Parts: sequence; C-alpha cells; structure tokens
Amino acid sequence: DGGITQSPKYLFRKEGQNVTLSCEQNLNHDAMYWYRQDPGQGLRLIYYSQIVNDFQKGDIAEGYSVSREKKESFPLTVTSAQKNPTAFYLCASSMLVGGESTFGSGTRLTVV
Amino acid sequence: QKEVEQDPGPLSVPEGAIVSLNCTYSNSAFQYFMWYRQYSRKGPELLMYTYSSGNKEDGRFTAQVDKSSKYISLFIRDSQPSDSATYLCAMSAPRNQGGKLIFGQGTELSVKP
Repeated sequence: DGGITQSPKYLFRKEGQNVTLSCEQNLNHDAMYWYRQDPGQGLRLIYYSQIVNDFQKGDIAEGYSVSREKKESFPLTVTSAQKNPTAFYLCASSMLVGGESTFGSGTRLTVV
Repeated sequence: QKEVEQDPGPLSVPEGAIVSLNCTYSNSAFQYFMWYRQYSRKGPELLMYTYSSGNKEDGRFTAQVDKSSKYISLFIRDSQPSDSATYLCAMSAPRNQGGKLIFGQGTELSVKP
C-alpha cells in the first residue's frame, strides 16, 4: 500500500540536543512538507520541498533544517536552536505543491 | 489578520444532528479548497477537495464554496459518534504566491450518542 511513514512515533530529547525525524513516502509524489501542530492550533509549515535537492522555508523554519537527497525521503532535524520544540510534527506529500496532501501519522517530540 | 479563519469550537452535537463547519479567507486568489479530518494523535486525512464555487457531495458530507464571499463550509448529515474529530479547512495559494496549503486552526467536533 502506498503511504507516508513517519518514525519514531514518540521521541524524547534533552535540551541542547539535535534530533532527526524520519519521513518516507512511496507515493511517487514530488512535493513534501513538514508541519508543526501545537494544542488547539492548526498546522504551521516548517519547510517544504518541490523536488529533489531543493527545499524552501515555510512560516516557522528557524531552529529546523531539512534535506531532500531522495524523492522518497525528507528528514527534519530539530536543532538546539529551536527554543520550544515540544510539539506534534507531521510530514505530508503531494503530487504538486498545493495539491491534495497525504499525511503521515506524526511524531510527538517532547523535550525533557 | 490570519489568511484563513476557522472557529476552533469545541462543537458538541447529539447523534443524528446536521453539523456545519465554516472557514473564511482573505486571499481571493486561493484556488483549491480542502477539508481534512484529524482524529486524536493521528495525521489528518483528506475528506473533500474542490476548486470551484458550488457544492460537492460525498455520502453524508457536502462541501460548499462561495468564492464571492470568501467562505467555505462542510456539512455533515446524520452525524455519528465516529465523526468526533478535529476538522481542518485548507486552501492553496496560486503558484505565483508559493502554491502552499494554508490551514485553518481546526474545529473540534464531538458527536454524543
């Protein structure tokens, strides 16, 4: 079955550490996205990529980094520069930017 | 002012009720309109997708778009407890404005048996 796989489902990080969230899709989609969701809020765009080896900052990119070396993969690194990283992180993909998006099941990151 | 405004609720209705969920937007260039359903601790799933003014029906769900008023709605008929979730509206900007999806903050719906 085609879909998006995010791992891990739960992640705990100590302050000052970088962590990397995995996102893999087998839908053959060109565009991929990372969103952050906080309680009672909608989705805020962190980074997106329209094509391999290219990505753009979203609305809240500070403290995050991404890479897109393969079409299927779009990992997100939450760096120590991110002041308030505890949140639910969602990865998505679509055929083209702005199209119908398919979401992964999310990674819940907690800073301890 | 946010580009997309959505009443966060929470909204509580009895089973069998008709539910109306709404979003307003400010950018008249938005082209595509979507509704996603998100169960607790899960990723959103696409419910409805439309690109023109008017109604689109799928089972118990009807999506309505009024571009002149910059207003979209999702109606749920004969609501069921399994419809209890957060509903997010989303709109896509045109390519010359980045083409990204802009989400509302979501409306939390609870359908009581």
